[in-house]
Amino acid sequence: DAGITQSPRHKVTETGTPVTLRCHQTENHRYMYWYRQDPGHGLRLIHYSYGVKDTDKGEVSDGYSVSRSKTEDFLLTLESATSSQTSVYFCAIGPTGGIGELFFGSGTQLSVL
Amino acid sequence: EDKVVQSPLSLVVHEGDTVTLNCSYEVTNFRSLLWYKQEKKAPTFLFMLTSSGIEKKSGRLSSILDKKELFSILNITATQTGDSAIYLCAVFRLTFGEGTQLTVNP
Repeated sequence: DAGITQSPRHKVTETGTPVTLRCHQTENHRYMYWYRQDPGHGLRLIHYSYGVKDTDKGEVSDGYSVSRSKTEDFLLTLESATSSQTSVYFCAIGPTGGIGELFFGSGTQLSVL
Repeated sequence: EDKVVQSPLSLVVHEGDTVTLNCSYEVTNFRSLLWYKQEKKAPTFLFMLTSSGIEKKSGRLSSILDKKELFSILNITATQTGDSAIYLCAVFRLTFGEGTQLTVNP
C-alpha cells in the first residue's frame, strides 16, 4: 500500500449518532479525497482537500463535513448518521489535483442501523 | 457536470478470452482519463491517458483514448482468473463511472 491508512475498518452505528472516519497518510501528498462506493453508483466524491485547512465539496457532500489540520490526516464526519449513509468509504491521496494517479486506502465499511 | 458511463456493467468470460471494456465521458475540461482495477478492496491504478498519450499498454492490458468521440476502451487479452475484478474509469476531476464487473471462469 502507498502509505495510507483508514480507521476504523468496520463500524456499526445507530441513526442520529455522530461518526468520524480517519485517513492517515505517510506520503506527504497535497491532495486527499473521501469517496463513498455504493452498488449502482460506483465511486462518488464526498469532499477533498488541497492543503492544510483547504477543503472543498464533491458531488455528494450533504450530511458530511471534513477537516484537515495536518498534512497527514483527513477526517470525515457524519454529524448525524442516517441509513442512507450506509456505504463503503474510501480515502485517496494524490500528488496532483485530479490529473494523475490516486492511491486508495483499504476502505471503511459503515453500517447505520 | 462531468459524466462517465461504462459498459457493459457485468461481463462473464472464460479463461483465454479477449475482452473489451468501454468508457464514454462528458467533461467540461478534459485533462486525463484513468483506469483502475478493484479486486477485493482498494482500487489500484492501471493507466492514465491524456491528450499527449492516447494509447497505453502493459502486458496483456492495453487502453486507447478517442478524444474526438469521447471514449476509451480497455482491452485484456488471454484473460486469466486473476483478472476477475471491477474495472473503473475516471476523468478529471476524478469523476468515476459505475464500473464493469469482470468475471473470468476457468
